[in-house]
Amino acid sequence: ETVLTQSPATLILSPGERATLSCGASQSVSYNYLAWYQQKPGLAPRLLIYEASTRATGISDRFSGSGSGTDFTLTITRLEPEDSAVYYCQDYGRSPALTFGGGTKVEIK
Amino acid sequence: EVKVVESGGGLVKPGGSLRLSCAASGFTFGSYSMNWVRQAPGKGLEWVASISGSYSYIYYGDAVKGRFTISRDNAKNSVYLQMNSLSVEDTAVYYCAKGGGRYGELYFDYWGQGTLVTVSS
Repeated sequence: ETVLTQSPATLILSPGERATLSCGASQSVSYNYLAWYQQKPGLAPRLLIYEASTRATGISDRFSGSGSGTDFTLTITRLEPEDSAVYYCQDYGRSPALTFGGGTKVEIK
Repeated sequence: EVKVVESGGGLVKPGGSLRLSCAASGFTFGSYSMNWVRQAPGKGLEWVASISGSYSYIYYGDAVKGRFTISRDNAKNSVYLQMNSLSVEDTAVYYCAKGGGRYGELYFDYWGQGTLVTVSS
């Protein structure tokens, strides 16, 4: 089972800045099957990115994913207050062992 | 519009059982996997179980293997999670989620609002 380590645990930024979130895998993610989700308090997660870099339907181009192998990045440009949330990465390349990272909390102040 | 709606959560005693249901609409139900993901209070996401659209595979997370059973009824556009031998560690919000990949890739593109399962004496 792949262990996903997300860093930093918390990111505090100002509106308009860029956020860079990292997701490191304990072994190579097959086919770059890495997804990113956003979760706001009290709500269900929302898919942002799949296959490491493909934006999901309706997702703003301020969100972008990159990386391959064991190192992946979610970048959020021109931060807005509504981007405050916890962000999770998920490895789905080793079905049936699906794993999530521990999350990065982004606060916009 | 894709909709996913869970039901069936509640309070159950340790060792007890509970059956969750999930009704989906707005897509060709039998063409996609359906999945359960849970989140313990204040914790991260944990994958629970997956079932393919054509019943060709069923997968479980290690924490629930042998105790939980996922099933689906394509005629009713519904998926179920039978949970037996529940323990306090199973306390969580349980989300039903549609698989995103047309070829079975297990990322989750639409989620329900979640249903809370509390295991307590």
